[in-house]
Order: sequence, then C-alpha cells, then structure tokens
Amino acid sequence: GENVEQHPSTLSVQEGDSAVIKCTYSDSASNYFPWYKQELGKGPQLIIDIRSNVGEKKDQRIAVTLNKTAKHFSLHITETQPEDSAVYFCAATGGSYIPTFGRGTSLIVHP
Amino acid sequence: DTAVSQTPKYLVTQMGNDKSIKCEQNLGHDTMYWYKQDSKKFLKIMFSYNNKELIINETVPNRFSPKSPDKAHLNLHINSLELGDSAVYFCASSQVAGEHEQYFGPGTRLTVT
Repeated sequence: GENVEQHPSTLSVQEGDSAVIKCTYSDSASNYFPWYKQELGKGPQLIIDIRSNVGEKKDQRIAVTLNKTAKHFSLHITETQPEDSAVYFCAATGGSYIPTFGRGTSLIVHP
Repeated sequence: DTAVSQTPKYLVTQMGNDKSIKCEQNLGHDTMYWYKQDSKKFLKIMFSYNNKELIINETVPNRFSPKSPDKAHLNLHINSLELGDSAVYFCASSQVAGEHEQYFGPGTRLTVT
C-alpha cells in the first residue's frame, strides 16, 4: 500500500518568513495530492491540491510543487502570518481510492 | 450552513459501554468516511461508504460498526469501549471516492475512562 512520509514534524518561523513542508510517497499509481490545514479544535480543511499532470500550483501565498519522478511534493507558504499557525497534512491518493495521510506538521508562526 | 456535521462533539464514557456517533452531510456527496485521530494527530482511515455501500474497511476491531441509512448519513457504533478507543473521530465526505477533496466534520472527542 501507499506510504507517505512528512517532514518536519514541527516548524517554527517568524512572521513574514517562508515555510516549506515536504512529503514523499511510495506508490507510483498515486495521482492526487491534497494539503489540509487543521486548526485547533477543528477538522482538517483543504487549502490546495495538485494532480499528477501538473508540476506546480499557486494560490496567493500558498504553492505546491510535485516531482513525480522522485515521488515527492512540497507545500510552500510565503509571508507567513500568525493565523497560518496550525497542523498541516499532506496526502496521496491513487488506484486504491484510499487517501494516505502524512503524520502532520505543526507550524508555529511567531509574531 | 454546516456541510458535514457530527454529534455529539464530546463524549465521555466508561469502559465497557456502547456508544454511537452520528454524521450527516448536506453536500449531496456520494462517499463518506470515518477517521480516527490519535493524541499525536495521526489521521487513520477506518471506513468508507459509497452510496450506502461499504467500500473501505481498514483493520478496525469488530467492535466498531458503521451504518449508512442513506447516502447523507454515516453513523459509527462502538461496542464494549476500551481505553485505547479514546481519540477524536472525524467524519468526512467527498463527491465520489478517490481523487477528490474531502470535507471534514468538526470531530467528536471520545474519552473512555
């Protein structure tokens, strides 16, 4: 089955800095890679996703890159703000229809 | 206009009891899921239903039984609760199974004493 590794587990940055979270996956059949943000006491919410036919996608301060050959994808947040503080999850979904999640990254943005 | 709702939000009970968590989605989605999130925030899929039919049943004890009376509802019944069942349980839905965004409910924090 699919195995998704996510790093780092904790990321602490100063407001205005950039943050990068990296994930690797094992199943070459995976074609859909979403990123979810989970704020304290809430359920995860999709912030951006990318499909295997695209190498990069951007939405304002958030971008995701995908390298299918190397089987890794990354989330980039620029100009971080305190409200970006949350737990971020990457996931990979392929032929099994079962989404496999990474173990999460706790992002802390210091004012 | 809550998209995916769960009840109750908190559930405190003793070992050996039986409890249920209810989930409803008003998005018209075909697929619904149950996830367990442990204290280290790891999200583990438990079940998935597509149009009231079970399509995913991960390695979950038989004490957990999902029920889907219609495609808008997916309930989770847990028998003989154990300490290790303490976690946050999330219901989610997606348009169809597979490569689509999942919409998560607010979660149910289950504490077994």
